[in-house]
Amino acid sequence: KQEVTQIPAALSVPEGENLVLNCSFTDSAIYNLQWFRQDPGKGLTSLLLIQSSQREQTSGRLNASLDKSSGRSTLYIAASQPGDSATYLCAVLMDSNYQLIWGAGTKLIIKP
Amino acid sequence: GAGVSQSPRYKVAKRGQDVALRCDPISGHVSLFWYQQALGQGPEFLTYFQNEAQLDKSGLPSDRFFAERPEGSVSTLKIQRTQQEDSAVYLCASSLSGTSWGRARKFFGPGTRLTVL
Repeated sequence: KQEVTQIPAALSVPEGENLVLNCSFTDSAIYNLQWFRQDPGKGLTSLLLIQSSQREQTSGRLNASLDKSSGRSTLYIAASQPGDSATYLCAVLMDSNYQLIWGAGTKLIIKP
Repeated sequence: GAGVSQSPRYKVAKRGQDVALRCDPISGHVSLFWYQQALGQGPEFLTYFQNEAQLDKSGLPSDRFFAERPEGSVSTLKIQRTQQEDSAVYLCASSLSGTSWGRARKFFGPGTRLTVL
């Protein structure tokens, strides 16, 4: 059974710092991996989607990498801003079905 | 509309009451998913529709949970005889994919926060 783990559960850093969020999964037979942002009362927003054949995806200050063989993905946020404060979740879509398997998220606080 | 909408946004129910949660997917999206998210956890899959067909309901936690999408657009998740453990955020997502695997990018609604007292 696929298990997705995110470490740390919470992170607080000063504005301007670069930071890395981690996601690990136990079964490498994934179709893709997505990083989402969740703001209170605003639902989930997809940030980056990496297909299993890809190594990384970039969008603005965000860069996500995928190492399928080791079961790891990282989300790199450059020059963090207070507006980046949110909970970040990773989710994997398995080869075998259409269900997303989610981590519990990392709650990120960027201090001004 | 421009995105997935859900209503109500907040619902407080007394234990034993029935509730109905509505999801309006993005127009034209074939696939629709319901998820349950407990506090501090990631979402858990509940059920999946392709158009009006409910192809997978394996995630529904009990027979008190029922979902429908009769015309292939709006979907309703109904919970009968609510229990305290049903308290969670219920998320709806839709995707354009017409394939049964629903692998296209999913767009999520804001969720309905259900509190059962």
